[in-house]
Amino acid sequence: DQQVKQNSPSLSVQEGRISILNCDYTNSTFDYFLWYKKYPAEGPTFLISISSIKDKNEDGRFTVFLNKSAKHLSLHIVPSQPGDSAVYFCAASAGTALIFGKGTTLSVSS
Amino acid sequence: DAGITQSPRHKVTETGTPVTLRCHQTENHRYMYWYRQDPGHGLRLIHYSYGVKDTDKGEVSDGYSVSRSKTEDFLLTLESATSSQTSVYFCAISRTSGGAYNEQFFGPGTRLTVL
Repeated sequence: DQQVKQNSPSLSVQEGRISILNCDYTNSTFDYFLWYKKYPAEGPTFLISISSIKDKNEDGRFTVFLNKSAKHLSLHIVPSQPGDSAVYFCAASAGTALIFGKGTTLSVSS
Repeated sequence: DAGITQSPRHKVTETGTPVTLRCHQTENHRYMYWYRQDPGHGLRLIHYSYGVKDTDKGEVSDGYSVSRSKTEDFLLTLESATSSQTSVYFCAISRTSGGAYNEQFFGPGTRLTVL
């Protein structure tokens, strides 16, 4: 059973608008959450993270929100740029390992 | 740049042959990981290492073995490759021991095709 779920396989957004990528998890013991971005033929790159003791973390155009009661986190990208077009993976820290969602492909059109 | 290289970057092999993939890091980090990425599955952990000669299994370890004789190198071996092991393999390193602040940094990947 999937412990980290990204239910939207794809998202299309216009340049300058907000992109919101969503992630749900089932295990309440997860204590750290991360977002990675992946371009074709490259390895995933770390984007932003949040500890379970916080509900928001911001880094430039990227903000991650965590709702522990709903077991839900989201990544907001404002404003979206064409270079943001990539696959975004949500991950949860479970001890030493990371558990990844299946990814959401973001397409930002100019 | 986390100083991770993977070799080879691409490999085509035949069913039943042994294959070894290499991950090399220049950062001297204790933790190293092997993942595979397949369509519809995201990234799944195969094996990981928490020090020289210290390894453990991940979610999808069947058919794979690993070795770590030096801090900087982590090898993934397919003893007898099968078509189901056609995938993109990523190595990762971690600067911390897990839990909070467990950011992992990934190599460029190895695309393996088993015919």
